[in-house]
Amino acid sequence: DVKVTQSSRYLVKRTGEKVFLECVQDMDHENMFWYRQDPGLGLRLIYFSYDVKMKEKGDIPEGYSVSREKKERFSLILESASTNQTSMYLCASSPESRGTGELFFGEGSRLTVL
Amino acid sequence: GEDVEQSLFLSVREGDSSVINCTYTDSSSTYLYWYKQEPGAGLQLLTYIFSNMDMKQDQRLTVLLNKKDKHLSLRIADTQTGDSAIYFCAAPRTSNTGKLIFGQGTTLQVKP
Repeated sequence: DVKVTQSSRYLVKRTGEKVFLECVQDMDHENMFWYRQDPGLGLRLIYFSYDVKMKEKGDIPEGYSVSREKKERFSLILESASTNQTSMYLCASSPESRGTGELFFGEGSRLTVL
Repeated sequence: GEDVEQSLFLSVREGDSSVINCTYTDSSSTYLYWYKQEPGAGLQLLTYIFSNMDMKQDQRLTVLLNKKDKHLSLRIADTQTGDSAIYFCAAPRTSNTGKLIFGQGTTLQVKP
């Protein structure tokens, strides 16, 4: 089975802190994604990566950056956390465009910024 | 740009059928998806339908696709309390990029 693992399920940080959210997938997928989930807004794409060291902005990249140094790992970075970044963060991966285009999701990281 | 819309909440009684609706804007979508999110968990693919199909049935699940109206629905027969979850409709943003755009999610509440 495809496994996407997010390192932290729950985090509590203070305003202005730097936050790292880590995601690892074990199926050699080329594509990896970071989404943010908020009630009533669904999932919104922050960044995605289609290859090592490659990244593209999604719909809401402001306040975030990403890093993909290895194919299996995709990190989301909040350089200076703010209260409006309190949310559920979901990582996903998918293989290069073939098959059904299904995304495989991690369990999510719930971040609270005080 | 592409948009996917869903109603936010549906409440049914155990044993009834549930119908969750979704509309989308991009007519070039190849696959359309339904994901399920149980409390405290990530999203899991529930089912999908290819755009050249009108209907797909998988046990208690029936997906209907009306391409003319750009309307997708998910019917759950004999709804159980274990079906209580958030259901997301999703469509490819553009072809061959792997990016999906998701609806707002419909919270299904199943009352015993």
